[in-house]
Amino acid sequence: DAGITQSPRYKITETGRQVTLMCHQTWSHSYMFWYRQDLGHGLRLIYYSAAADITDKGEVPDGYVVSRSKTENFPLTLESATRSQTSVYFCASSELSGGGAYNEQFFGPGTRLTVL
Amino acid sequence: AQSVTQLDSHVSVSEGTPVLLRCNYSSSYSPSLFWYVQHPNKGLQLLLKYTSAATLVKGINGFEAEFKKSETSFHLTKPSAHMSDAAEYFCVVSWTGNTGKLIFGQGTTLQVKP
Repeated sequence: DAGITQSPRYKITETGRQVTLMCHQTWSHSYMFWYRQDLGHGLRLIYYSAAADITDKGEVPDGYVVSRSKTENFPLTLESATRSQTSVYFCASSELSGGGAYNEQFFGPGTRLTVL
Repeated sequence: AQSVTQLDSHVSVSEGTPVLLRCNYSSSYSPSLFWYVQHPNKGLQLLLKYTSAATLVKGINGFEAEFKKSETSFHLTKPSAHMSDAAEYFCVVSWTGNTGKLIFGQGTTLQVKP
């Protein structure tokens, strides 16, 4: 199916465990993004990627690691999960034009992560 | 610095009455502005976007927004609310040279009463 998918949709883990959230898009968009959504904060950017093997930090990168070996995949890893990382995580993708200002981002359905 | 402020965290209207969701932005550059909608347990969907063309922007589902540079505002309106409009709405800013990153407002929850 065309679009952007995330897996798993729901995940419960324990403090200190490593967790990887998967994101896959079928449009071959250059840009991909990871956000977390918390009550009262809207969406905050964790990491983004301009192309395969090019990644950069966003607003709240601490405790997270990303990689992008293929254009279509952008996994997010929590190396040692903490309770403060309990959140809803959204992946998004976009193509770039007009210097980056004009293109909408397409969002996945989200992963609800609970860290106990 | 670039930022977005949504002036109401929660708005409640009756079905069939107008909707107004308020958004102010701050940007050192010519901004692009977006409104996204998020229905419960769903991802975000683009409602409309302003990219320096017409200042009155029409979007999906009867929504529109007007870019007012003098007021640094981009308020979202709809003449007549429908029950299906109940959702979370995000005002978002971007700008040229920003490598596609978006800055989100904190969101406004729209409640529609029958």
